[in-house]
Amino acid sequence: GENVEQHPSTLSVQEGDSAVIKCTYSDSASNYFPWYKQELGKGPQLIIDIRSNVGEKKDQRIAVTLNKTAKHFSLHITETQPEDSAVYFCAAGPGYQKVTFGTGTKLQVIP
Amino acid sequence: GAVVSQHPSWVICKSGTSVKIECRSLDFQATTMFWYRQFPKQSLMLMATSNEGSKATYEQGVEKDKFLINHASLTLSTLTVTSAHPEDSSFYICSAKSDTGELFFGEGSRLTVL
Repeated sequence: GENVEQHPSTLSVQEGDSAVIKCTYSDSASNYFPWYKQELGKGPQLIIDIRSNVGEKKDQRIAVTLNKTAKHFSLHITETQPEDSAVYFCAAGPGYQKVTFGTGTKLQVIP
Repeated sequence: GAVVSQHPSWVICKSGTSVKIECRSLDFQATTMFWYRQFPKQSLMLMATSNEGSKATYEQGVEKDKFLINHASLTLSTLTVTSAHPEDSSFYICSAKSDTGELFFGEGSRLTVL
């Protein structure tokens, strides 16, 4: 089955700086890579996703890059704000529904 | 975006009792819903896939007789934790697949078994 590793487990950045979270996956059949933001006591919310036919995708301050050859993908958040503080999960799978989640990164943006 | 509602958001029960958690897709129909379990500071682990009108598909290691799943309508799936014990205490999250294939997650239900 798929195995997704995520680093770092915790990340503290100053407000306005960039944050980068990296994930690797094991199954070459995976072609869907979503990123979720989970606030304390709430369910995950999809913030951005990328499919394997695309190398990079950007949505305002958030961008995701994918290297299928190396089986790794990354989340980039620029101009971080305190409200970006949350736990972020990457995931990988063959489609929308059957994804395996990473172990999560707790991001703290310091005002 | 689409809304998925879970109820209750938190529940405390005595050991040996059963607890039912509901997952509703409020503005779309979902033939498929998923149930996850999340321990503190850990990732989401898929427990089972709930299909409307048919039996749920459980992931390896998940006891189907302990975690009963019913998907009786296109907007509602329920997870019943039977004879709950303290080790069943966890954060349970559902997601629903929209007709475009996207997953929308509920807010989660925190179960504490005393």
